[in-house]
Formats: sequence, structure tokens, C-alpha cells
Amino acid sequence: GQNIDQPTEMTATEGAIVQINCTYQTSGFNGLFWYQQHAGEAPTFLSYNVLDGLEEKGRFSSFLSRSKGYSYLLLKELQMKDSASYLCAVSDSGAGSYQLTFGKGTKLSVIP
Amino acid sequence: KAGVTQTPRYLIKTRGQQVTLSCSPISGHRSVSWYQQTPGQGLQFLFEYFSETQRNKGNFPGRFSGRQFSNSRSEMNVSTLELGDSALYLCASSLGGGRLSGANVLTFGAGSRLTVL
Repeated sequence: GQNIDQPTEMTATEGAIVQINCTYQTSGFNGLFWYQQHAGEAPTFLSYNVLDGLEEKGRFSSFLSRSKGYSYLLLKELQMKDSASYLCAVSDSGAGSYQLTFGKGTKLSVIP
Repeated sequence: KAGVTQTPRYLIKTRGQQVTLSCSPISGHRSVSWYQQTPGQGLQFLFEYFSETQRNKGNFPGRFSGRQFSNSRSEMNVSTLELGDSALYLCASSLGGGRLSGANVLTFGAGSRLTVL
């Protein structure tokens, strides 16, 4: 089976940098996704990692270490609108490559 | 282009009733997946359809079922509702065919919020 762990809540200050960690266990890793979900809205795709290393997309970056079963999402120059839940999800060939297994999400609060 | 459309957005049912939820994927997307989201369990996979065939099914009881039509639209049904079925039901579509990847991501709808009394 799969197990995905991420912190439940985090708080950070506007303009700062925050790192949201995710650890996972899979039987056949096919890729890791990060989604953002504002309260009452649909999750929206942020990033995808399948190889080790850092993927940068504007203020958001995502890192993957397959050997450690570890990823993080880095948010720079935080803005109030970044207050949301951030969901780490894994595609696992053992479970079927057409589905994602999600962590329970990290609720990020950005304060002035 | 239009996103993933789910109807109804909100509904209230009582225990023992059944419910049908509808999902229209993004035009050109052939895969439709359903997820249940609750505060305690997060997002949990229900099932995935591609070209009217169920390719994957999650660990939910047989009361949860779904289908996909030839135009890729999908419905899911929950029979004999229980209080624990209260949740946000999210539909997601992707181009389909191959495995999920950066080029084949899930795009979610806003969900159908079901309350069972």
C-alpha cells in the first residue's frame, strides 16, 4: 500500500519563504504531484516531479528525492492569496497508474 | 475552454436514499476519475473510467458505482446512503490513455457536496 505524510498545518508571514514537506512509501513510483486547494474550491495542479531534483515554476518550486521517498514544495515571496491547503499526491504503478494517492494536505496560513 | 463541470453542487439526502452525481469533463479529455474528500481522510480514490471502461477502482463498498458514457461524461451513484457518506465528491478529467504525468494531469471540478442526514 501507500503512505503519504505531510504536516497538517503551517503558518508563515507574508513575503517570507515556506517549505512544505511530504514523505511517501510506494511499491512502484510513477511520479509525484502537488496541488493547491483554496477553501471551497477545486484542487489545482501546481507541479510534477518524476526525476530527482528541483523543478522551478515562478514563485513555486518542488523537489524530489526518490531514494529517500521525500519531496518538498517551496513557496517564495508569500502572498496572502497563498493561504490554502497544499496536497501531495503520488502515482504508483502498483495501485494503477491512472489514479493518485493523496496525503491529507497541509493547510497554510499566511499572516501579515 | 470550459473546465470540469459537476452537478449538482450541493445536495442533502437522508439515510437509506440513493444519489446520482454527474460530471462533464474538459472537451477532449477521455479519462474521468472520482474522489471522495472528507476532513478526516482527505482525498480518496473511488474509480477511474476511460472509453466507457472502468480501469481502476478504490477500496469503497459496492454501494458506490459509476459509469461513463460515449461522450466521456460520467455519473457516479451511491445507494443506501449512510451518514459517513457525507463528503465532497470531486470529479477529475485527464487526456487519458497513458499514465498520469506532467503532460497528463488531473484537472478537478469544484465538486458536489453531499450531506446525509
